[in-house]
Amino acid sequence: AQSVTQLDSQVPVFEEAPVELRCNYSSSVSVYLFWYVQYPNQGLQLLLKYLSGSTLVKGINGFEAEFNKSQTSFHLRKPSVHISDTAEYFCAVTPGGGKLIFGQGTELSVKP
Amino acid sequence: DTEVTQTPKHLVMGMTNKKSLKCEQHMGHRAMYWYKQKAKKPPELMFVYSYEKLSINESVPSRFSPECPNSSLLNLHLHALQPEDSALYLCASSQASGGDQETQYFGPGTRLLVL
Repeated sequence: AQSVTQLDSQVPVFEEAPVELRCNYSSSVSVYLFWYVQYPNQGLQLLLKYLSGSTLVKGINGFEAEFNKSQTSFHLRKPSVHISDTAEYFCAVTPGGGKLIFGQGTELSVKP
Repeated sequence: DTEVTQTPKHLVMGMTNKKSLKCEQHMGHRAMYWYKQKAKKPPELMFVYSYEKLSINESVPSRFSPECPNSSLLNLHLHALQPEDSALYLCASSQASGGDQETQYFGPGTRLLVL
C-alpha cells in the first residue's frame, strides 16, 4: 500500500527566507507525485508534478521539487518566500487508477 | 484552461433536507471525483467516475448519492445528512488514467453546514 508522510505539520518562516517542505512516500510500485497548495477557504491548486524524466521539477509561483527515488522523497523548495505563500501544502502520490493519496499537510506561515 | 466549477459555494441544510452539489468541467476530462475535506485535514476520496461510470465508492454512506449525467457534469445528492457531514466538498477531474492523464484538477469546493 502507498502512503505519504509530510514531516512537518507547521513551518513558520520569515519573508524572503528560503523554505523546504518535506515529503516522503512509501510504495512498492512506480508512482506519480504531486504538490498541491490550498489557500484559506479555497480549493486545491496544482503546484507541480513528477511523472517521469528529470528529477528536478519546476512549478508555479517559483516553487520546485526534487524527486529522490533512493530516499523516496519529494521535497518542495522555494528560495525566497512571500507573505502570499502562506497556505496549506499537500504532497500526494498516485499509483494510478484514480486514487490520490495525500499527506497530512504542512501549514506554511510566512511572517513579515 | 484547467477550470473546474462548483455550485453552490456555501450551503446550509437541516438534517431532513434534500440538496444537491454540482460540479462542471469543460476540459474534455473523462474522470471526475468527489472528495470530503474536514478542517485542517487532507481531502478524503468519496467517489470516482470514469467514462461516466462509477468506478470507486469508498464505502460512503448512502445518504450521499453521486450522479454523472454526462462527461462534463457531476452531481452529489444529499439527503438526511448528519452534523458530522459538515465539511468542504471538493470536486476534481482528470483526463483519464495513465501518466499525465492522472493529474487531478480541483474546483473551489462547496462549504456545507448541516444543522
